[in-house]
Amino acid sequence: AQTVTQSQPEMSVQEAETVTLSCTYDTSENNYYLFWYKQPPSRQMILVIRQEAYKQQNATENRFSVNFQKAAKSFSLKISDSQLGDTAMYFCAFRAAGNKLTFGGGTRVLVKP
Amino acid sequence: EAGVAQSPRYKIIEKRQSVAFWCNPISGHATLYWYQQILGQGPKLLIQFQNNGVVDDSQLPKDRFSAERLKGVDSTLKIQPAKLEDSAVYLCASSLVHTSSYNEQFFGPGTRLTVL
Repeated sequence: AQTVTQSQPEMSVQEAETVTLSCTYDTSENNYYLFWYKQPPSRQMILVIRQEAYKQQNATENRFSVNFQKAAKSFSLKISDSQLGDTAMYFCAFRAAGNKLTFGGGTRVLVKP
Repeated sequence: EAGVAQSPRYKIIEKRQSVAFWCNPISGHATLYWYQQILGQGPKLLIQFQNNGVVDDSQLPKDRFSAERLKGVDSTLKIQPAKLEDSAVYLCASSLVHTSSYNEQFFGPGTRLTVL
């Protein structure tokens, strides 16, 4: 069974600064996808960024980028130029065959003005 | 394009009562998921449907939880009887096709259940 671990329960960052969220996972699969989801307070979960395990190049989406280290089974998210709207819970998730998502416990990000 | 719809948004019941949640996925999405998200935790998959068939229900507590998707479109999740530990947000998600190599899941707003 796959497990996903987010070791930082909460992070705070000043507006316009950068914050990095950590995620590690455990799997015996070779082909899989990794995701970061954002869940704003009282709003629905949305996909921030995804990474295919077979791609060596790290994914980027505007101010969001990942550092994918396959051998270390590590998948961190960097939020650059943080904005007040980035305040949310962030979940790391893993998916192998069957489309079943396994989520980590989440990291609460608070962006301070 | 309309998103995943869920109702009700909030529900408060007493233990041993029954409750049902409804989900309408994005039009054309064949795969539908129900997740349970306990406060302070990440979502946990309860059941996954492909059209009207069950793909994975390994983490569904079948003695009290049931779900159906009779016509392969909307779905109902039921809890009977409810326990205190069932207090959680129940999320519904949908995606286009189960077997494609990549398949983004779109989430609904969730139903927050409080069991007293």
